[in-house]
Amino acid sequence: DARVTQTPRHKVTEMGQEVTMRCQPILGHNTVFWYRQTMMQGLELLAYFRNRAPLDDSGMPKDRFSAEMPDATLATLKIQPSEPRDSAVYFCASGLVTGEGMNTEAFFGQGTRLTVV
Amino acid sequence: AQTVTQSQPEMSVQEAETVTLSCTYDTSESDYYLFWYKQPPSRQMILVIRQEAYKQQNATENRFSVNFQKAAKSFSLKISDSQLGDAAMYFCAYRSAHGNQFYFGTGTSLTVIP
Repeated sequence: DARVTQTPRHKVTEMGQEVTMRCQPILGHNTVFWYRQTMMQGLELLAYFRNRAPLDDSGMPKDRFSAEMPDATLATLKIQPSEPRDSAVYFCASGLVTGEGMNTEAFFGQGTRLTVV
Repeated sequence: AQTVTQSQPEMSVQEAETVTLSCTYDTSESDYYLFWYKQPPSRQMILVIRQEAYKQQNATENRFSVNFQKAAKSFSLKISDSQLGDAAMYFCAYRSAHGNQFYFGTGTSLTVIP
């Protein structure tokens, strides 16, 4: 059963600490998205990658957020230093792009619920 | 950027009845995809149904169907014979056929009343 796997499911941390969230996309998918979900803003795109290269990270606060794909099976989203306003659910999603566009929908992981106190 | 609007923050339906969730979108493109995702309390975003804009026929998946009105830029979801397990947040989403980014609406919270 192919699925996107995110770890951890829950994270509580103190303000100022570093947080790393991990995502294993579906095998064979070449596009990975990071979304943040809050009550106020809904689902916001933070960044996305194709073939491990960042295509768009304009939605991400650059001073404290960073996203990488060390290899095709792992995507990471790091916050350093974390702040209370970063509290949200962070979703990773993956899809397959061929030709000009994506030929599948995005498959989502179960998200990481981050609480910064 | 494209915008997706869901004007119903909350909806409720009696079990076994039918409910329709509304979604409108704004785009200047002619080729795109539309989706409905379901998010139950478990937080997992689950694809319910998708529609290709070039297809005139409305998509159907078992009890779920859409009413796609391309000229009106409307994409509503109809759930027939509602079940308790249908209770969730439902998100409408848009994606260009030539792009990768998904644009989501703000969601509709559906309650199913036993």
